[in-house]
Amino acid sequence: DAGVTQSPTHLIKTRGQQVTLRCSPKSGHDTVSWYQQALGQGPQFIFQYYEEEERQRGNFPDRFSGHQFPNYSSELNVNALLLGDSALYLCASSLAGSGRVYQPQHFGDGTRLSIL
Amino acid sequence: GESVGLHLPTLSVQEGDNSIINCAYSNSASDYFIWYKQESGKGPQFIIDIRSNMDKRQGQRVTVLLNKTVKHLSLQIAATQPGDSAVYFCAEMATSGTYKYIFGTGTRLKVLA
Repeated sequence: DAGVTQSPTHLIKTRGQQVTLRCSPKSGHDTVSWYQQALGQGPQFIFQYYEEEERQRGNFPDRFSGHQFPNYSSELNVNALLLGDSALYLCASSLAGSGRVYQPQHFGDGTRLSIL
Repeated sequence: GESVGLHLPTLSVQEGDNSIINCAYSNSASDYFIWYKQESGKGPQFIIDIRSNMDKRQGQRVTVLLNKTVKHLSLQIAATQPGDSAVYFCAEMATSGTYKYIFGTGTRLKVLA
């Protein structure tokens, strides 16, 4: 049973560029959340996608956008990259629906993004 | 507010001893709590969870305790092994009206041989 998979594992970009990160959820899951984890800190919620729509957003600027596809996979796009965007970007999946709120999100191993 | 934490506290434990990792959560409306283990270069791995209608839950070698009065969560690991060395995060969620996890600062556990 495949877990959450993310690609690429590492990426180096320069300031001002844009980047797209990809996530395939755990088999059977329909909801994808994205988190940013700076070095030495806990993950920070960016947004969550369900039924191909952004369901909730954290305190991140509009430069961060996303998409969910009919097969539940998801992309995170970041425009006009800043040095401060250097971080580990984590994708987590879960199964939505009534009675399922008390189920944990399962995380991938992330994409390490470095901005030069 | 959200817990961001810039400094990572470290707990050093002798192999075979019990470990206790503590977490103070921030939102009194949170009703679901999860412990994750994160090894170097990996994503957070689910360990155990607990709902707010419980004060204790046990898994294999792990126990989570919840004290809602003081908004405190702890993870106890029995007979700590070298493979337990990692950073441990607690996460909280208010299941009514939000879908996001708020993560704590994290604690680095070092197991000494």
